[in-house]
Parts: sequence; C-alpha cells; structure tokens
Amino acid sequence: GAGVSQSPSNKVTEKGKDVELRCDPISGHTALYWYRQSLGQGLEFLIYFQGNSAPDKSGLPSDRFSAERTGGSVSTLTIQRTQQEDSAVYLCASSLPRGTSGPPKQYFGPGTRLTVT
Amino acid sequence: LAKTTQPISMDSYEGQEVNITCSHNNIATNDYITWYQQFPSQGPRFIIQGYKTKVTNEVASLFIPADRKSSTLSLPRVSLSDTAVYYCLVDNNAGNMLTFGGGTRLMVKP
Repeated sequence: GAGVSQSPSNKVTEKGKDVELRCDPISGHTALYWYRQSLGQGLEFLIYFQGNSAPDKSGLPSDRFSAERTGGSVSTLTIQRTQQEDSAVYLCASSLPRGTSGPPKQYFGPGTRLTVT
Repeated sequence: LAKTTQPISMDSYEGQEVNITCSHNNIATNDYITWYQQFPSQGPRFIIQGYKTKVTNEVASLFIPADRKSSTLSLPRVSLSDTAVYYCLVDNNAGNMLTFGGGTRLMVKP
C-alpha cells in the first residue's frame, strides 16, 4: 500500500520568506509526527497529532513554526520568516493510535529538504 | 527528559554480529525503547522495540538490563546492506516526549 508521502521533496527559499510543508499519512493512521533532521544530525521531535489535535506544541523550535492537521489526514508544517538555521530535512511519520501496550511503530516519509539562502 | 547517547560510528565485517549500545540514564517508568534504521535520503525504518529484558524478531535482538539505563541492539551476521545509521528512541508513549539518540553510523565491510 501507499506509504507516507511528503511534498515538496526539495524546497529552496530566501531568508524571510514563509514555507509550507505537506505530509500525507498512511490511510487509517490517526497519529502523525513531525521531526527535523539537520545535516549529519539526529532527529529532533517537533510535534505529535492524535487526530486533528496536538496536545503539546512545546517541541516546536520557535513561534515561527506552526503545524495543523485537518480532517484527521493531511498535515502542514508552516515556517514563517525563514532563517538559515531552519535549513534541514523535515520528516513526517504516521502510526496507529497510541495505546497502552507501548508506542506504535512509526512509518516515516522520505522528508522535505529545506534550504534557506 | 531522557537524554540518549550512542557511539557516532562503528565498523564491522560481513557475517559478524554487531552490538550497538544506547545510553539513557534518565529513562522514566513509562518510557519505551525503539530502534530505527536509516539509509541515505530515506526516512527511518522501524527495527525493534522493547521495555525490559530481551526482545527478538526476525532481524534483530534488543537487550535491556534491569535498570533500563541502557539498551543494546544486536544485529546477527551483518551484510553489506546493513550499512546505515541506527537510532535509538526513548518514547514516553504520551506523544510529547520522543528523544532520539544522535545515531550510530554502521559501516559493514566485505
């Protein structure tokens, strides 16, 4: 079946511009996650959605970052007034709902490589 | 918040067993440990998950001692295709604390 898809795959933008990154989760996956991976670095957790709700937004790096999810499916991560330090690969993952038997397996998309010039 | 640390890199040869250890000294009661594999230009892929003791699946084993302050991913008889970056993740299962280690770059040589 179709996996997690992300668009665009690459985005080059000028410093100060806004960008919007999109994630299409696996059908039926109600949980969705965003991560940031800077060049040669590990994964930094940004935000988690259960359905359309994000219970904790404290992982977002600054107030220039926002995320939303509508209809329990597609999610967008928006970065306003981009800075050079925002350059990274932004990864999205989806999973079945979190329950009591441990975290569900996350399925990752290929990522969006963002370059801020 | 559980800080996770891993060796930056490891080398091995085909057919050998590889053990990668992740340190998570501040792990909390509700935290689970998961390992992911990542190839270049791809998203990470789930390998194995555990809470305590030993877990084994068709590709790997995960050893977690009683104090749970570390975990060891064991890959039996590696091949060239196992060359990748391996990440440990400490996850509180509440969706608000997911901490990845910095990743271990495994190079398998012929």
